[in-house]
Amino acid sequence: QVQLQESGPGLVKPSQTLSLSCTVSGGSISSGDYYWSWIRQPAGKGLEWIGRIYATGTTTYNPSLRGRATISIDTSKNQFSLQVTSVTAADTAVYYCAREGLCFDPWGQGTQVTVSS
Amino acid sequence: EIVLTQSPGTLSLSQGERATLSCRASQSVSTISLAWYQQKPGQAPRLLIYSASRRATGIPDRFSGSGSGTDFTLTISRLEPEDFAVYYCHQFGGSPPIYTFGQGTKLGIK
Repeated sequence: QVQLQESGPGLVKPSQTLSLSCTVSGGSISSGDYYWSWIRQPAGKGLEWIGRIYATGTTTYNPSLRGRATISIDTSKNQFSLQVTSVTAADTAVYYCAREGLCFDPWGQGTQVTVSS
Repeated sequence: EIVLTQSPGTLSLSQGERATLSCRASQSVSTISLAWYQQKPGQAPRLLIYSASRRATGIPDRFSGSGSGTDFTLTISRLEPEDFAVYYCHQFGGSPPIYTFGQGTKLGIK
């Protein structure tokens, strides 16, 4: 079955750029049947959808990120990626990637990103 | 943006009891985009219900979803020990269309 795995630095300095990747296994990211999304969750808080990408590169973002998020896709590596610029402590969270087809399933296990100097 | 409000925030019940969790939207949402997730500490959320009432693969039939318009419900007919967790609803829609989640209901053991 399809599995997703996040990877990237666990610590990012304030004002710098957070970069994460999500590797998809067990299925092709370019099949065109699904979108691929990023979601985050600050400690002890709820879930926030960041945005999504389709195999063609079409993206949709949550306006709450105020244009700081960029999602890209690399079909040759079966990966999609997230960049968040100008990070602050408010961006500290567990970041999840997920396959999306009007619901999120499956999810990656999540990766903790802490913004601190 | 469509806001989802879940109630109650915390629910304390005993094993074997029935749990009823509510998700209310600030405006009408498409049933096809309403889903419910279960999250246990240290784990990613797990899809339980999609399209408001369809159980995801492998989800026991004690879980059921219902509702339309602005009011949706997740029911767990007989609580098992593994059901004590946090539950989230979500929807896709609004202008611009984005996913929004409810704030969650924590289901604890009484």
